[in-house]
Amino acid sequence: KAGVTQTPRYLIKTRGQQVTLSCSPISGHRSVSWYQQTPGQGLQFLFEYFSETQRNKGNFPGRFSGRQFSNSRSEMNVSTLELGDSALYLCASSLALAGGSEQFFGPGTRLTVL
Amino acid sequence: AQSVTQLGSHVSVSEGALVLLRCNYSSSVPPYLFWYVQYPNQGLQLLLKYTSAATLVKGINGFEAEFKKSETSFHLTKPSAHMSDAAEYFCAVTSASGGSYIPTFGRGTSLIVHP
Repeated sequence: KAGVTQTPRYLIKTRGQQVTLSCSPISGHRSVSWYQQTPGQGLQFLFEYFSETQRNKGNFPGRFSGRQFSNSRSEMNVSTLELGDSALYLCASSLALAGGSEQFFGPGTRLTVL
Repeated sequence: AQSVTQLGSHVSVSEGALVLLRCNYSSSVPPYLFWYVQYPNQGLQLLLKYTSAATLVKGINGFEAEFKKSETSFHLTKPSAHMSDAAEYFCAVTSASGGSYIPTFGRGTSLIVHP
């Protein structure tokens, strides 16, 4: 069974631009969660989608948004990029809601904001 | 808000020695507890999960963790370290907060294994 895939793997943007990251979960998984990983803050939860509905949201500004499609694929969008948005963005999928389930992580998208 | 503390950002052991990675959490509600491992340039992989069935949880690659409610701890151990165990380890906790189950991760502990 194929694992979680994320595209692109690397991205370089400039301040003020917007970016869209994509995540394809494991087949059959209905939950997709997004995390931001930085050396200073560690892994921080962004949001979780389940059956196309946002079920949980972390403490991030409204510039960070996401959506999930009927095939469970998910996208994350960051608008008006700031230098501090430079991070590894991880996507994770699970059969049920992430809180009590094993999550399967993708390799991440490394975003650099110049 | 719940929090997870991993004591020691780096732990160094010799090959064959005991591995002990510490994790303490703050939660008044019985939690879900996880340990994940991250190898360079890869995503996280589940090592083990506490499901309340037993306080001693066995995971993959010879790792195990013991849930101690009185100490709010979930330390990860392995009797004998291998070079291949060198990686970043994350403890994660989920407990209900206002009806939401949001995983909270510790900052991670980098395990260094010396030959």
